[in-house]
Amino acid sequence: GQQLNQSPQSMFIQEGEDVSMNCTSSSIFNTWLWYKQDPGEGPVLLIALYKAGELTSNGRLTAQFGITRKDSFLNISASIPSDVGIYFCAGRNAGGTSYGKLTFGQGTILTVHP
Amino acid sequence: KAGVTQTPRYLIKTRGQQVTLSCSPISGHRSVSWYQQTPGQGLQFLFEYFSETQRNKGNFPGRFSGRQFSNSRSEMNVSTLELGDSALYLCASSLGQIGGELFFGEGSRLTVL
Repeated sequence: GQQLNQSPQSMFIQEGEDVSMNCTSSSIFNTWLWYKQDPGEGPVLLIALYKAGELTSNGRLTAQFGITRKDSFLNISASIPSDVGIYFCAGRNAGGTSYGKLTFGQGTILTVHP
Repeated sequence: KAGVTQTPRYLIKTRGQQVTLSCSPISGHRSVSWYQQTPGQGLQFLFEYFSETQRNKGNFPGRFSGRQFSNSRSEMNVSTLELGDSALYLCASSLGQIGGELFFGEGSRLTVL
């Protein structure tokens, strides 16, 4: 089956630092989504990417859809304590029977020290 | 606009019992997907319903089943519970078009003793 490798698994940073995480896939995706999950809550959608090469920002967050369509990265600039949480990438193949089926990375646990 | 609502938030069952979880999607969303989240396996896709029909299915045993009603609300059922079924069960809704964004509820935390 499809595999998504997300790295790093965890990050410990100081407030104010920039953060970068990425996902690579064994197959081509037509959609990349980035989510953040706080403890005891469901994942919250941060950024959605639909086109190879697309670069999208949401405040201090920037994500890109890789040209090969097999990878994506998420950057967080000037981190703050509330950025703490687990960040997931998720990808989806086009059409077929994959409408609601996302393949998720294993997550990146982000800890921000004040 | 109200988000995805899941009930109950927490429940405890014993092995062999069965459980039903409920999900109300965002108003206007016609697709509901279910995921199981565990520390060891991450987020695993269970199934997806659209217009009361199962449109996609993950690799879970037949003890896991679901359904969707005409108002797009969905339920999932797990029969003959096993210890390994302890997990956070997440429901996500979308408009239903190809490639649409999924919006998750807060989840139902199931503990099997």
